[in-house]
Amino acid sequence: QVQLVQFGAEMKKPGASVKVSCKASGYTFTGYYMYWVRQAPGQGLEWMGRINPDSGGTNYAQKFQGRVTMTGDTSISTAYMELSRLRSDDTAVYYCAREAAIVGAPYGMDVWGQGTTVTVSS
Amino acid sequence: DIQMTQSPSSLSASVGDRVTITCRASQGISNSLAWYQQKPGKAPKLLLYAASRLESGVPSRFSGSGSGTDYTLSISSLQPEDFATYYCQQFYSTPFTFGPGTKVDIK
Repeated sequence: QVQLVQFGAEMKKPGASVKVSCKASGYTFTGYYMYWVRQAPGQGLEWMGRINPDSGGTNYAQKFQGRVTMTGDTSISTAYMELSRLRSDDTAVYYCAREAAIVGAPYGMDVWGQGTTVTVSS
Repeated sequence: DIQMTQSPSSLSASVGDRVTITCRASQGISNSLAWYQQKPGKAPKLLLYAASRLESGVPSRFSGSGSGTDYTLSISSLQPEDFATYYCQQFYSTPFTFGPGTKVDIK
């Protein structure tokens, strides 16, 4: 079945970096954009950006430009999101999600990982 | 960036009630709108896309409508499993921003 698998949790200190992974299975990894969305405790959803695993092309939300890097390893069908210069307000659950699209036009995120909790604390 | 707002931010309803949630974009988004349901501790689930198209497997009691800047999600007869938080998201232009969410709880 189509699924995205993420590891459970990371604990980091302020100023450090975190690299979150998302392993895809059950579909052609290079055929779909992968999105990253985060959710701070008790807060709403925040779109961070997306990557085309086939070309490596990315779109990042302005808020994260310069701190986020999204990559993909097509040999193992895994997407990565690295966030640097972590602050306490980066504490959140980080989700990967597959783009749903029609004729190249995105319309939603139809498959989600279970989320990786990243805690930033000294 | 396109700003998304939702109203109400929360509501209390009973099983069997009809519920309507509104989502407004800061500019026209040409029906490029998705709705998600999220339950505590779980990832969001896609319910509707293109403003009114039901995702496969989603019960028909969920429906969506709207145009331009204003959209609605309706649940015709609220079921116990529908108590959750609902988010809209625009796909008109990046960044694909979300609304702040509407929490539906039990009256």
